[in-house]
Amino acid sequence: GAVVSQHPSRVICKSGTSVKIECRSLDFQATTMFWYRQFPKKSLMLMATSNEGSKATYEQGVEKDKFLINHASLTLSTLTVTSAHPEDSSFYICSARGPGLAGGGIINEQFFGPGTRLTVL
Amino acid sequence: SQKIEQNSEALNIQEGKTATLTCNYTNYSPAYLQWYRQDPGRGPVFLLLIRENEKEKRKERLKVTFDTTLKQSLFHITASQPADSATYLCALDKAAGNKLTFGGGTRVLVKP
Repeated sequence: GAVVSQHPSRVICKSGTSVKIECRSLDFQATTMFWYRQFPKKSLMLMATSNEGSKATYEQGVEKDKFLINHASLTLSTLTVTSAHPEDSSFYICSARGPGLAGGGIINEQFFGPGTRLTVL
Repeated sequence: SQKIEQNSEALNIQEGKTATLTCNYTNYSPAYLQWYRQDPGRGPVFLLLIRENEKEKRKERLKVTFDTTLKQSLFHITASQPADSATYLCALDKAAGNKLTFGGGTRVLVKP
């Protein structure tokens, strides 16, 4: 199956600093990537949808100036948490969906990254 | 409002038995329903997708049913093994290319 990587896997930062998380599709081109946030023992909450070469679409209640998303290429999307605060501490997960994968992949199948644990002190 | 509900209580099951999980939804007309597995500290892994015009789908020891009248999907793990212990999430996709909305997940613990 398709592989999506995230970097870093864990990050600890001080309050007020910015943190950038990368999401890469390793063996396919992802026209669309999604960013989710997950609190302990809770489900994934979609934050935004990012399409290559265009502005991200944010879900209601997600501050676009705080969570900056860039999808500059078909294999890379980045999420930058600006001026991070302790309440931003969470597990951030990206997923990628391609236009159609070699080998008969399902068009709606999303491939998830391993997640990034962010802790803001 | 739209809701996706999974049993939040953990499911404890003996090895070899069949685990059955439910996913109920309201105010939704999904074109697809998907099931994912998530291990602690990891991203979800896709398991099965079932379309609205399909009643049942199988993959190895996994079986999914989809009843659009009852607005419910059942997920079965037959001959369960301790390695099947994980959280299982259902997700709805309204139409081709649309975003997924996840249920809260059900944790399964298979005891040897």
